[in-house]
Amino acid sequence: DAGVTQSPTHLIKTRGQQVTLRCSPISGHKSVSWYQQVLGQGPQFIFQYYEKEERGRGNFPDRFSARQFPNYSSELNVNALLLGDSALYLCASSLAEGGGSYEQYFGPGTRLTVT
Amino acid sequence: LAKTTQPISMDSYEGQEVNITCSHNNIATNDYITWYQQFPSQGPRFIIQGYKTKVTNEVASLFIPADRKSSTLSLPRVSLSDTAVYYCLVGMNTGFQKLVFGTGTRLLVSP
Repeated sequence: DAGVTQSPTHLIKTRGQQVTLRCSPISGHKSVSWYQQVLGQGPQFIFQYYEKEERGRGNFPDRFSARQFPNYSSELNVNALLLGDSALYLCASSLAEGGGSYEQYFGPGTRLTVT
Repeated sequence: LAKTTQPISMDSYEGQEVNITCSHNNIATNDYITWYQQFPSQGPRFIIQGYKTKVTNEVASLFIPADRKSSTLSLPRVSLSDTAVYYCLVGMNTGFQKLVFGTGTRLLVSP
């Protein structure tokens, strides 16, 4: 079975531009989470979506938004890009049932560079 | 969410056993302990999860003392490919739980 897939792999944007990152979860997984990982640090939680509804939001500005589609894939949008938004953006999927495993499955990430 | 503390880095040689200890003094009754591994430019990968005593799988063992205020990830006979960052996480065992990563432990395995 295919794992979590993300596109694009790499992206270079200019300050002030907007970017959309895409994620397809593992088949059967209904929850998708987004994380930002700056070089040298651990991943930081941005959003979690389950059944197209936002279930959690991290400490990120409103420039960051996301949505989940009926097929459980997801998009992360970042507006008005800043240099500090340069990072590896990770998508993770899970079954997200109550009492289930704490295990989340991560994709390879999208490397965003803002110049 | 319980805060975790782990060493910033560790060095080892091929074939040795590596033990990485994580401190989580304010762990809650319902919290589980989970370890993830991350290679450069890849997403983290689940290694092992436990609640108390000892858990073993094909990759590692997790030792948790009775007070659960710490845990130790044990990697038997490491190889060069085990060079990675290892994260200890503590939280409730539900799918809606956001994962809170610290800075992790950078393990370097040398020949």
